[in-house]
Amino acid sequence: GQNIDQPTEMTATEGAIVQINCTYQTSGFNGLFWYQQHAGEAPTFLSYNVLDGLEEKGRFSSFLSRSKGYSYLLLKELQMKDSASYLCAGGGSQGNLIFGKGTKLSVKP
Amino acid sequence: GAVVSQHPSRVICKSGTSVKIECRSLDFQATTMFWYRQFPKQSLMLMATSNEGSKATYEQGVEKDKFLINHASLTLSTLTVTSAHPEDSSFYICSAAELDSYEQYFGPGTRLTVT
Repeated sequence: GQNIDQPTEMTATEGAIVQINCTYQTSGFNGLFWYQQHAGEAPTFLSYNVLDGLEEKGRFSSFLSRSKGYSYLLLKELQMKDSASYLCAGGGSQGNLIFGKGTKLSVKP
Repeated sequence: GAVVSQHPSRVICKSGTSVKIECRSLDFQATTMFWYRQFPKQSLMLMATSNEGSKATYEQGVEKDKFLINHASLTLSTLTVTSAHPEDSSFYICSAAELDSYEQYFGPGTRLTVT
């Protein structure tokens, strides 16, 4: 089976940097995904890591260590609109996604 | 590109009735479509995976006779909630993936309320 763990809630200040961690245990690993979800809306794709290392995309970066079963999402220059839930998801062998419970990020002025 | 639509966006129905939710890939062929359910303040839970022209594969604990899934074409999948009850009230989200692609494109979701 698969198990995805991430913190429930985080708070950060506008303009700051925040790191959201995710640990996973999977029986068949097919990449690690990060999605952003605003309340009442569908998730939007942020990043995908299948090899170890850091993937940078603008203000967002994602890191993966397969040997440690660990990933993080790094958000820089936080903006108020970044307040949302961030979902870590493991890719399954059938092309499916196994989601964690999500981390609700609150950005304060 | 890669747009997925869902219809309806919101639906209210009476207990005991059936509701059909459509998921369409507008500008690509979706060989695989996924159906998720999300309860308030919970994460997305995969309900079933459907490949075009095949029977859907349901996750453990999801009743296949209650949640009927049809994926008759490469651009359309439907989820029918039969004999809906208040506990079926939830946010239902579909996603679609192209052949050999790792990325899933999510629809905007359907809010179902059963009274």
